[in-house]
Amino acid sequence: SSELTQDPAVSVALGQTVRITCQGDSLRSYYASWYQQKPGQAPVLVIYGKNNRPSGIPDRFSGSSSGNTASLTITGAQAEDEADYYCNSRDSSGNPHVVFGGGTKLTVL
Amino acid sequence: EVQLVESGGGLVQPGGSLRLSCAASGFTFSSYEMNWVRQAPGKGLEWVSYISSSGSTIYYADSVKGRFTISRDNAKNSLYLQMNSLRAEDTAVYYCARDRPAESPNGWYYYMDVWGKGTTVTVSS
Repeated sequence: SSELTQDPAVSVALGQTVRITCQGDSLRSYYASWYQQKPGQAPVLVIYGKNNRPSGIPDRFSGSSSGNTASLTITGAQAEDEADYYCNSRDSSGNPHVVFGGGTKLTVL
Repeated sequence: EVQLVESGGGLVQPGGSLRLSCAASGFTFSSYEMNWVRQAPGKGLEWVSYISSSGSTIYYADSVKGRFTISRDNAKNSLYLQMNSLRAEDTAVYYCARDRPAESPNGWYYYMDVWGKGTTVTVSS
């Protein structure tokens, strides 16, 4: 089955820009979706499709994709953005499955 | 308000069974595909199972295939996960999540736009 690979941890200075990446063969076939999860809370969708934000998600969150890599960019990171971020897509290897990346812990310094 | 509320978690011995429920409200449940996703303590998200809106199409992760059964009752706006032959590695918070397929010029893509708060399953003797 397909896998999605994320860096385990990334840090960013308050107010700066950070990019979180997700790599996998399935991303050549499907857009990734991105989820934010804070400790003790359920995941929250932040980006889906080419670059769509659900209602209520700040516009400092954006998404992009190239080849087998999807990226989540936070422009002007805030303290409240400190969280785990997961990418997700369908499996493109022939299995009708769903795959998640291992998650990236974002620290805002 | 669109909402999903899981229930049915608890402590169960290895080899035991548990049935999780997910109550949907605020949207037309019968029109949406659904997933179960779990998260072991200190670990990442793991997809468990998918069911189509009618219940006619079902998929499972290899880790639970043959032990777990997903189902739904559209008349009751409810999603279920029957978990049998439970193992210690099934210990996790279990979330139900609404699946959203969408079409773009580049093809279909999918995302989960509504999540419940989760219910905790602990498998231990």
